[in-house]
Amino acid sequence: AQKITQTQPGMFVQEKEAVTLDCTYDTSDQSYGLFWYKQPSSGEMIFLIYQGSYDEQNATEGRYSLNFQKARKSANLVISASQLGDSAMYFCAMRDGGAQKLVFGQGTRLTINP
Amino acid sequence: GAGVSQSPSNKVTEKGKDVELRCDPISGHTALYWYRQSLGQGLEFLIYFQGNSAPDKSGLPSDRFSAERTGGSVSTLTIQRTQQEDSAVYLCASSLQGLSYEQYFGPGTRLTVT
Repeated sequence: AQKITQTQPGMFVQEKEAVTLDCTYDTSDQSYGLFWYKQPSSGEMIFLIYQGSYDEQNATEGRYSLNFQKARKSANLVISASQLGDSAMYFCAMRDGGAQKLVFGQGTRLTINP
Repeated sequence: GAGVSQSPSNKVTEKGKDVELRCDPISGHTALYWYRQSLGQGLEFLIYFQGNSAPDKSGLPSDRFSAERTGGSVSTLTIQRTQQEDSAVYLCASSLQGLSYEQYFGPGTRLTVT
């Protein structure tokens, strides 16, 4: 069965610093996709970045990058130059080739301090 | 273009009553998903639709929960004989078909069972 683990329930970071949010996953499939979503206090789920299991390059989207280490089954999210608006819950999720649903981790609450 | 919409945004109901939650996906998205987010349980998958059929209902917690989708568009999640443990935010998402396509989430319906 698929499983996503986010070991950091909460993180506090100073504004403008870079931050890494950890995510490890477990699947027996060779084909899968990894996603990161942001959920601000308003509640909406905002898609940030995607990494496919066959992608050789780490995904990047603006200030977001995904540090994909396939052998370690790790898909950490890196946010560069953090901003106050980055304060939110962050969820790592996975979808494997045999299923359509997303399996989510428990989330990390990120707080950016001025 | 318009995103995923859900109604109502909030619903308070008495224990034992039936409720219907509605989801309007993004036009052209053939895949539709229902998730539930509650404190302590994170985000849980409920059901997935491809067109009007539901090939994966594995997340429905009991036979009190059912869902349908008509015209390959609008979906309704029905909870019969509501219980207090059904209190949660119910999120709907839609996507194009394929492993790499992100799911776009609606704002959710907050259900409170008193």
